Amino acid sequence: KQEVTQIPAALSVPEGENLVLNCSFTDSAIYNLQWFRQDPGKGLTSLLLIQSSQREQTSGRLNASLDKSSGRSTLYIAASQPGDSATYLCAVPNNNNDMRFGAGTRLTVKP
Amino acid sequence: DTGVSQDPRHKITKRGQNVTFRCDPISEHNRLYWYRQTLGQGPEFLTYFQNEAQLEKSRLLSDRFSAERPKGSFSTLEIQRTEQGDSAMYLCASSLGETGPLRAKNIQYFGAGTRLSVL
Repeated sequence: KQEVTQIPAALSVPEGENLVLNCSFTDSAIYNLQWFRQDPGKGLTSLLLIQSSQREQTSGRLNASLDKSSGRSTLYIAASQPGDSATYLCAVPNNNNDMRFGAGTRLTVKP
Repeated sequence: DTGVSQDPRHKITKRGQNVTFRCDPISEHNRLYWYRQTLGQGPEFLTYFQNEAQLEKSRLLSDRFSAERPKGSFSTLEIQRTEQGDSAMYLCASSLGETGPLRAKNIQYFGAGTRLSVL
């Protein structure tokens, strides 16, 4: 059974800092990994999807890396802004059907 | 297409009442998923449909829960005899459901969710 863990659970940084969010998973036989953003009381917005054959994906100030062999992914946010404040979730397919999510990292970027 | 739509956004009900939620997926997506999310946790899988067929249900889906997707388009999730422990955000997602070599590109698109409060 796939288990996903995210560290830290919460993070507070001043505006402008670069930061790294961590995700680990127990079963390395995944075919992709997704990072999502969730604002309070809202649904999930997909940020980045990394296929198993890829090492990283970039979108604007976001960069996600994937190391399947060690069961880890990181989400790097450059030059953080108050608008980046949200919960960030990583998820991997449990099989061909559902996704397993971590509990998320709650990020606060202070002006 | 405006994405995955869920209705209602919020539902407050008394314990013991029945509630029904609706999800409209992205029109060309053949897969539809239901998840439940409690405070401070990530979403947990409940069930999924491939077109109109319900192919998998998790152990979280007790016999008080039933989901349908009668024409392979929208889906409903009904909870009978609600309990306080049912209070959560119920999320719907849809995907193209690519298989084989293309499955790595499967992206699930999520709706805004229905927040259920059972008093």
